[in-house]
Amino acid sequence: DGGITQSPKYLFRKEGQNVTLSCEQNLNHDAMYWYRQDPGQGLRLIYYSQIVNDFQKGDIAEGYSVSREKKESFPLTVTSAQKNPTAFYLCASSGGQLNEQFFGPGTRLTVL
Amino acid sequence: AQSVTQLGSHVSVSEGALVLLRCNYSSSVPPYLFWYVQYPNQGLQLLLKYTTGATLVKGINGFEAEFKKSETSFHLTKPSAHMSDAAEYFCAVSDDRFTGGGNKLTFGTGTQLKVEL
Repeated sequence: DGGITQSPKYLFRKEGQNVTLSCEQNLNHDAMYWYRQDPGQGLRLIYYSQIVNDFQKGDIAEGYSVSREKKESFPLTVTSAQKNPTAFYLCASSGGQLNEQFFGPGTRLTVL
Repeated sequence: AQSVTQLGSHVSVSEGALVLLRCNYSSSVPPYLFWYVQYPNQGLQLLLKYTTGATLVKGINGFEAEFKKSETSFHLTKPSAHMSDAAEYFCAVSDDRFTGGGNKLTFGTGTQLKVEL
């Protein structure tokens, strides 16, 4: 089955630690995205990548970093510089003739 | 810059009643418009989309939406609500399309739909 996987589903982190969220897709999509979701605020774009080895900052990139070394993978690192990292993180991809984005199941990050 | 406004963060309807979720957008170019649904602790699932052509768009689970350019609206409707429709619904607009496919979306803040017996 084609789709997007995110791991882990739940993640706990101590303050001051960096943590990396995984996102993998087998849809052969060129573009991938990371969003942060907080209650009442909808989805906010953190980073996006239109093609391998290239990515751009979204609206709330501070305290986050990404890489795009493979078409299938777009990991997100939440660094200690992110002041309020507790949130639900969603990865998405899109490409080809389709215009919609396909979403993974999400990772819920909690900072203890 | 594009933006999306969803009126009503919470909407409650009776089972069997009409569902109407409102979405207004702003865009500097002809927009692509989307409605997504999210169940608790899950990702988003596409309900329907408008890109070009017919302005009345039908989606999954009996939902439909009409693109009204003059009103800059893309309201979501369903004639008869079912308990399984209870979820959060997001409207999104895209006016930044990538050459290789894909686009940059701006989401509304969401509307939580509650369906009561």
